[in-house]
Amino acid sequence: SQTIHQWPATLVQPVGSPLSLECTVEGTSNPNLYWYRQAAGRGLQLLFYSVGIGQISSEVPQNLSASRPQDRQFILSSKKLLLSDSGFYLCAWSVGRPLAGHNEQFFGPGTRLTVL
Amino acid sequence: ELKVEQNPLFLSMQEGKNYTIYCNYSTTSDRLYWYRQDPGKSLESLFVLLSNGAVKQEGRLMASLDTKARLSTLHITAAVHDLSATYFCAVDIPQGGSEKLVFGKGTKLTVNP
Repeated sequence: SQTIHQWPATLVQPVGSPLSLECTVEGTSNPNLYWYRQAAGRGLQLLFYSVGIGQISSEVPQNLSASRPQDRQFILSSKKLLLSDSGFYLCAWSVGRPLAGHNEQFFGPGTRLTVL
Repeated sequence: ELKVEQNPLFLSMQEGKNYTIYCNYSTTSDRLYWYRQDPGKSLESLFVLLSNGAVKQEGRLMASLDTKARLSTLHITAAVHDLSATYFCAVDIPQGGSEKLVFGKGTKLTVNP
């Protein structure tokens, strides 16, 4: 069965500090990978998605970046955090529409980031 | 641009009552998904609806899809406290090659004793 991991689970960082969040998927190959952010009490905002190693699509221009160095690893980074970067960061994976006929996404446990 | 609207955004109901959450979307699509999020937790997949007229049921929840009306409903029967959560619908972007979903803003459901 497939499993998705995220770490750390919680993080408190000062403004201007760097950020690295990691997401890994087990039990599948060549998944689509996604980073979402959810502000407190709000909906989901898609930040980045990737359909393969080194292939990153950015949805929202901001001070965040993403990388996919390995097939089942997705990293979210920032060089300098802003207060507005606080939120609940969710990684998700899917098999993808061409293979599965649909794009049901499965979410990791999330990282709660507080920028002070 | 595909837009997904859920209503109501907040729903407070009594145990034992029935209610329906609506999910409207703006562009033709025949792929719709429902998710549940408990407070402070991640999203859990509930239903995958893949064709016009599709109906899925799990316990007290039933989801349906009308692609002609661009509408999906999530019906709650005889609500219980354990159903308290935020429910999101999400729609596949129909343009070829895209692997994104567009999510509604979510409906926060509170079931009171």
